[in-house]
Amino acid sequence: DAKTTQPTSMDCAEGRAANLPCNHSTISGNEYVYWYRQIHSQGPQYIIHGLKNNETNEMASLIITEDRKSSTLILPHATLRDTAVYYCIAVNTGTASKLTFGTGTRLQVTL
Amino acid sequence: GAVVSQHPSWVICKSGTSVKIECRSLDFQATTMFWYRQFPKQSLMLMATSNEGSKATYEQGVEKDKFLINHASLTLSTLTVTSAHPEDSSFYICSARRVSAGELFFGEGSRLTVL
Repeated sequence: DAKTTQPTSMDCAEGRAANLPCNHSTISGNEYVYWYRQIHSQGPQYIIHGLKNNETNEMASLIITEDRKSSTLILPHATLRDTAVYYCIAVNTGTASKLTFGTGTRLQVTL
Repeated sequence: GAVVSQHPSWVICKSGTSVKIECRSLDFQATTMFWYRQFPKQSLMLMATSNEGSKATYEQGVEKDKFLINHASLTLSTLTVTSAHPEDSSFYICSARRVSAGELFFGEGSRLTVL
């Protein structure tokens, strides 16, 4: 699976949009970009995933660049409960779906 | 609601004892489940892949005799930490993939403390 690179930490004011970047310059054509988050002392929570088109669900939007070398997770209106570590993972879902977690981005939402 | 459940959510045991952690897929069948370990302030590290009806596949550096994995049914995998020692204290997390969907679901995690 392709390696992903994320900033170590980010801050966001409550109510504002949180934009979390991820670089995956070596991603292959059949690898999806998955986003998970982990709130302290809980298991990771699935957020969204995509291949090449932008995706949106009730939690977030995923913007993937045309060359697929990077993506951005957007939380449109961040709340304090969105404070968590966010992981961007490239994975070939044609395999057994084991995920390799990097260090992720620690998002701190503040008042 | 949770689609993958772990039990117990936390356990404290004495050094030298064995501890079993269960991982259940609640409303779907999972031929493959995954076990992760997470130390404080670190990321999740994959320990092993649990395969229903066959032996688990362990990642490099993980002792298979220390961490026994059994996947006897399509909805249950168990991880047994044998002869636990304080250095085995960690947050253990399982995951399973619902075949009909793209996402991988994670359990709530089980925190093991070995005294």
